[in-house]
Amino acid sequence: GEDVEQSLFLSVREGDSSVINCTYTDSSSTYLYWYKQEPGAGLQLLTYIFSNMDMKQDQRLTVLLNKKDKHLSLRIADTQTGDSAIYFCAGGGGGNKLTFGTGTQLKVEL
Amino acid sequence: NAGVTQTPKFQVLKTGQSMTLQCAQDMNHEYMSWYRQDPGMGLRLIHYSVGAGITDQGEVPNGYNVSRSTTEDFPLRLLSAAPSQTSVYFCASSYDRRGEETQYFGPGTRLLVL
Repeated sequence: GEDVEQSLFLSVREGDSSVINCTYTDSSSTYLYWYKQEPGAGLQLLTYIFSNMDMKQDQRLTVLLNKKDKHLSLRIADTQTGDSAIYFCAGGGGGNKLTFGTGTQLKVEL
Repeated sequence: NAGVTQTPKFQVLKTGQSMTLQCAQDMNHEYMSWYRQDPGMGLRLIHYSVGAGITDQGEVPNGYNVSRSTTEDFPLRLLSAAPSQTSVYFCASSYDRRGEETQYFGPGTRLLVL
């Protein structure tokens, strides 16, 4: 099955850009997702990208997909303290069958 | 729309007890699934359903049963609770229309098995 890996922790200063990385093993995933989880809360879908796309931009968020290296990244521009959370990448072929990474805890410092 | 709702929010069980975690969605989504979240392991798929009357196992199905008698509801049953089932459980639903899939998660149920 799919294996999805993320670095565990990232610390940035407010106003800087954050880049959260993810690698995956199963190239058959149709969609690749980024979720945000704040403490004690559920998962919030931030954005997703089709596997046939290289890049998707949505306001402060930029998703890059390198299919050759099976590498997915999420860039958050002008990071704010409200962006502090755990970020999960996930891959899936549809039907709610998602494989999640272990999550990256983003800490934004003043 | 209420979205995806889960009850209870918190539950404490003794080893060997059984219980049902409830999940409901009012968005007429075809797909529903259950995940558990454990520290350092992300979310893992327990069971999923692609429509009423159709269910299948995910990555970690042992100790859990599901059924999908209606489109709206997808309960998760713990048959005989074990401490290893202490976790946070998330229910999710989605549709897939015109190639655009959107996933919705419930707020989670925190379960402690003593």
